[in-house]
Amino acid sequence: AQTVTQSQPEMSVQEAETVTLSCTYDTSESDYYLFWYKQPPSRQMILVIRQEAYKQQNATENRFSVNFQKAAKSFSLKISDSQLGDAAMYFCAYRGHPQGGSEKLVFGKGTKLTVNP
Amino acid sequence: GAGVSQSPSNKVTEKGKDVELRCDPISGHTALYWYRQSLGQGLEFLIYFQGNSAPDKSGLPSDRFSAERTGGSVSTLTIQRTQQEDSAVYLCASSPRSGRAGEQFFGPGTRLTVL
Repeated sequence: AQTVTQSQPEMSVQEAETVTLSCTYDTSESDYYLFWYKQPPSRQMILVIRQEAYKQQNATENRFSVNFQKAAKSFSLKISDSQLGDAAMYFCAYRGHPQGGSEKLVFGKGTKLTVNP
Repeated sequence: GAGVSQSPSNKVTEKGKDVELRCDPISGHTALYWYRQSLGQGLEFLIYFQGNSAPDKSGLPSDRFSAERTGGSVSTLTIQRTQQEDSAVYLCASSPRSGRAGEQFFGPGTRLTVL
């Protein structure tokens, strides 16, 4: 079974600085998808960024980018120019290839990010 | 457009009672998922519906849990004879279709407290 590990229960960053959240996963599949979701206190899960395993290029969405290391099974999230609104729980999630695996998301335990003014 | 909605937002019940949690997915989304978020276990998959196919129930923790999806739209998660360990936030998500790495759009969740 696939597992996702987030080794940092909590992180903090100064406003305007850069922070990196770590995520590792375990799978025997060669084709899969990885996601970072943000969950503010409102409980609404919001997709931040996604990466398809067959793509070598790291995904980027404005201030958010990932460092995807397929061989190492690592998928870290970098937040640049951190803003107060970035404060939230961040979850790394794995989804297998739809033809060979399950449609479900497998989540890590989450990292609570605090942004200090 | 409207997002995924869930009701009630919060539910407090007594141990042994049955509860029903409702999810209204985004219109036109064929896939619907239920997850449970609890302090000790993080986010866990419960069940997945896709169109008229048989649901994937592999995540349901016991036979006290069941879910149905009527008319390919609204879904209800039922927990019978609730236990204190059922206390958690129950999240529903929908996506346009399976077979793609489509984003799952989440609702705000229902916080269930079993006394």
